[in-house]
Amino acid sequence: DAKTTQPNSMESNEEEPVHLPCNHSTISGTDYIHWYRQLPSQGPEYVIHGLTSNVNNRMASLAIAEDRKSSTLILHRATLRDAAVYYCILMGGMYSGGSNYKLTFGKGTLLTVNP
Amino acid sequence: GAVVSQHPSWVICKSGTSVKIECRSLDFQATTMFWYRQFPKQSLMLMATSNEGSKATYEQGVEKDKFLINHASLTLSTLTVTSAHPEDSSFYICSARGPGDTEAFFGQGTRLTVV
Repeated sequence: DAKTTQPNSMESNEEEPVHLPCNHSTISGTDYIHWYRQLPSQGPEYVIHGLTSNVNNRMASLAIAEDRKSSTLILHRATLRDAAVYYCILMGGMYSGGSNYKLTFGKGTLLTVNP
Repeated sequence: GAVVSQHPSWVICKSGTSVKIECRSLDFQATTMFWYRQFPKQSLMLMATSNEGSKATYEQGVEKDKFLINHASLTLSTLTVTSAHPEDSSFYICSARGPGDTEAFFGQGTRLTVV
């Protein structure tokens, strides 16, 4: 399985932007970069995903390096509700085959948001 | 986003009994479903992947005779923990992915306590 590396924890202040980094140096050409987050005692929640170009949605932005070996999840204005564990995961498309079609979780980054 | 409903949210059972957990995709057809187990302060561990109408593919170290997975329709998958023991107590989470889609959607999880 393609691996990702994330910091164990990060801290932010409310209303400030947060940049969560992820390294994935062994990414293959068909791997999508996914981000999910998990609040305590809940199932993970989809945040955003991308392949090559930067992506924006109502929750966050995803900045992907030109060589695709790293990416950054950007929360533009952190709120207390954004405190969660954030997972960066590589996943292949349905027809790319191999184990990367599975969604395998690493340890993620625990984001703490200070009021 | 799409909705995945997991039932029950929590269950307490006696040692030696079996417990069934249901996972339903409410507004899309889930061609692939994933089952995870999560212990306190740990990440999600993938147990098995199931495609509709096919036998589940179990991860290494997961007993297929103990954790029975059925994915009989495009909207329903079940996980049955057979002859449960206290060490099976955990947070079980399902995830579903539709045809051609790349993101996955998660249920809210089931807290299983075996006494």
